[in-house]
Amino acid sequence: DTEVTQTPKHLVMGMTNKKSLKCEQHMGHRAMYWYKQKAKKPPELMFVYSYEKLSINESVPSRFSPECPNSSLLNLHLHALQPEDSALYLCASSQDPDRVVNTIYFGEGSWLTVV
Amino acid sequence: KNQVEQSPQSLIILEGKNCTLQCNYTVSPFSNLRWYKQDTGRGPVSLTIMTFSENTKSNGRYTATLDADTKQSSLHITASQLSDSASYICVVRSTDKLIFGTGTRLQVFP
Repeated sequence: DTEVTQTPKHLVMGMTNKKSLKCEQHMGHRAMYWYKQKAKKPPELMFVYSYEKLSINESVPSRFSPECPNSSLLNLHLHALQPEDSALYLCASSQDPDRVVNTIYFGEGSWLTVV
Repeated sequence: KNQVEQSPQSLIILEGKNCTLQCNYTVSPFSNLRWYKQDTGRGPVSLTIMTFSENTKSNGRYTATLDADTKQSSLHITASQLSDSASYICVVRSTDKLIFGTGTRLQVFP
């Protein structure tokens, strides 16, 4: 099983809503990532979790709040988003955060539209 | 500044033809270079990973090359198929960061 599963696939939310994106992997990977991707642009790193601890936060606004409840799950809590936050949000995982040569597996993404 | 540049931006070829995508990078320190395929609206899928010492790596009809001296990589697609239509992204790892190229959008027409 080389799968990273993301839910929901599509989400439409208002600027005052609170919602969450969920990500799950059962490959025993110890590094998990959130990326944001706008149309026709490469993915931009948001957060990295290594061994369930936040190791990288790429100066992401506080309206995005990551959470890693256990080694298989990664959430992204959303609150008071802006229309410009509409994008494809990709979750990814890799086996060992300390290994340089690591295949990074991406999920299918969650399409977020903020209205 | 760490950068990964890809060319061409977009490419149209006929089914069955070969094509080569280019990637130039100015990343230091260099750890490895990856090629990903991304279908529209889907997550990227890894094609190859190459370290400093590897010159070429194949994955089916995809062959990637790496010249660490000139800091160039290429992805060659042989006997293209309609399902090869996608964006191809070159990604260079530097310590704990992945630096993404802007991608080449490939369209394969029958």
